Amino acid sequence: ILNVEQSPQSLHVQEGDSTNFTCSFPSSNFYALHWYRWETAKSPEALFVMTLNGDEKKKGRISATLNTKEGYSYLYIKGSQPEDSATYLCAQYGEAGNMLTFGGGTRLMVKP
Amino acid sequence: DAGITQSPRHKVTETGTPVTLRCHQTENHRYMYWYRQDPGHGLRLIHYSYGVKDTDKGEVSDGYSVSRSKTEDFLLTLESATSSQTSVYFCAIRGLAEYNEQFFGPGTRLTVL
Repeated sequence: ILNVEQSPQSLHVQEGDSTNFTCSFPSSNFYALHWYRWETAKSPEALFVMTLNGDEKKKGRISATLNTKEGYSYLYIKGSQPEDSATYLCAQYGEAGNMLTFGGGTRLMVKP
Repeated sequence: DAGITQSPRHKVTETGTPVTLRCHQTENHRYMYWYRQDPGHGLRLIHYSYGVKDTDKGEVSDGYSVSRSKTEDFLLTLESATSSQTSVYFCAIRGLAEYNEQFFGPGTRLTVL
């Protein structure tokens, strides 16, 4: 079982603020890292799949970076909007790509 | 929409009773997963399957069993439900390529009294 940790656990920001969260994971035997967005009462949906050190991915106002050598990934949201309120999960694939281990998530609440 | 359905969507049961949850997919994906949602833990893997009759344990498999007799259906059984198994259960599938993202079903809310 991989040890995937996320910080902070929760975050309250005002509309228009930019914010970022951290996912840390074991740097040895890295295969892939995923970010998921999980809105209340819905199912998690994939945001990014990251596999290479130095990867940067972007989708609208959300972007992510990956550092496999030191074992962390950052998720950035520029100009947060109330509809960005959700729990953001990161997850790491273990060897053979069979199983994902999820972090505990960062719950983001954006106040209008 | 990855064509994943779960049934039932809600269930209330009593301690000690057996419960079976069903996950059904329509797109012939090889890998299927059962997770439970736990506060502070995000999602934790219970069991997964990599083909018909091929299954393996995840992080929190104690008290659960699974079966996959055909590609489209993955069943999760709580042999004797306990209150600690009250949770929301999500089924997921993964595409063909290694390290692909997973697509989740709508979830089943199970309450064990």
